[in-house]
Amino acid sequence: EADIYQTPRYLVIGTGKKITLECSQTMGHDKMYWYQQDPGMELHLIHYSYGVNSTEKGDLSSESTVSRIRTEHFPLTLESARPSHTSQYLCASSGHGQGADEQYFGPGTRLTVT
Amino acid sequence: AQSVAQPEDQVNVAEGNPLTVKCTYSVSGNPYLFWYVQYPNRGLQFLLKYITGDNLVKGSYGFEAEFNKSQTSFHLKKPSALVSDSALYFCAANAGNNRKLIWGLGTSLAVNP
Repeated sequence: EADIYQTPRYLVIGTGKKITLECSQTMGHDKMYWYQQDPGMELHLIHYSYGVNSTEKGDLSSESTVSRIRTEHFPLTLESARPSHTSQYLCASSGHGQGADEQYFGPGTRLTVT
Repeated sequence: AQSVAQPEDQVNVAEGNPLTVKCTYSVSGNPYLFWYVQYPNRGLQFLLKYITGDNLVKGSYGFEAEFNKSQTSFHLKKPSALVSDSALYFCAANAGNNRKLIWGLGTSLAVNP
C-alpha cells in the first residue's frame, strides 16, 4: 500500500469559494502529479512537480494552482470554484528514476461545486 | 504526436475464462509501458510495467502483459478471470527520460459470474 494521502475525500462547496485540496506522501518521492478524472473516464494531467520549488502545468488547462514548498506536500488550490470544476482529483507521486518508476496514487478527492 | 490507444471501451468475459485487455502505443524510442487498475470509487493502483528484457511481464493479482515491439502492443492478460477483477484498466507509456506518462482512455472490464 502506497503512502500517499489526500484530504478531504469528499467536498461539496458553493460557487465562488476558495478551496485547497491537500496531498502528502511519505515516500520521499521527488515527482508529484495532479490529475483530474470524471467518473469512469480518462485521466487528465493538470499539474506536476519534479521537486521543491518546481511546478509545471499539465496537458489540460486548469484554473487551479499548485505549490511545492516541501518534498512531501503538493497542495492544489482553486481561487474561485465553479460548477465546471466538479470532478475527481487524484494526486500521485513517483520516485527518482528517469521515467521508469511507477506512479503511486492517493484515494482521490471528489469535488462537487454547487 | 505520441499516444496510447485502448481500442475497446468495454470488455466482457465470463468468470474462469481468460481475459485480454488491449493496448497499443505510438511513442518514440524505447518506451516504458505500464498498466494500472482502478476499482470502483478508489484511486489507481499500479499493476505491472515493462522496462526492458523479457517481453512477458508478470504483475499483481495474477495479471501479466506481453510487450510486442513489432506490433507496438502491450496487451494485459490473465488466464482465469475473477468477478473481483471487474474494474477500469489504464495503459500508459513513457518515452524514455520524459517523466510524464501518456495515458490511454481506459477499458472497463466486466467479469460475469
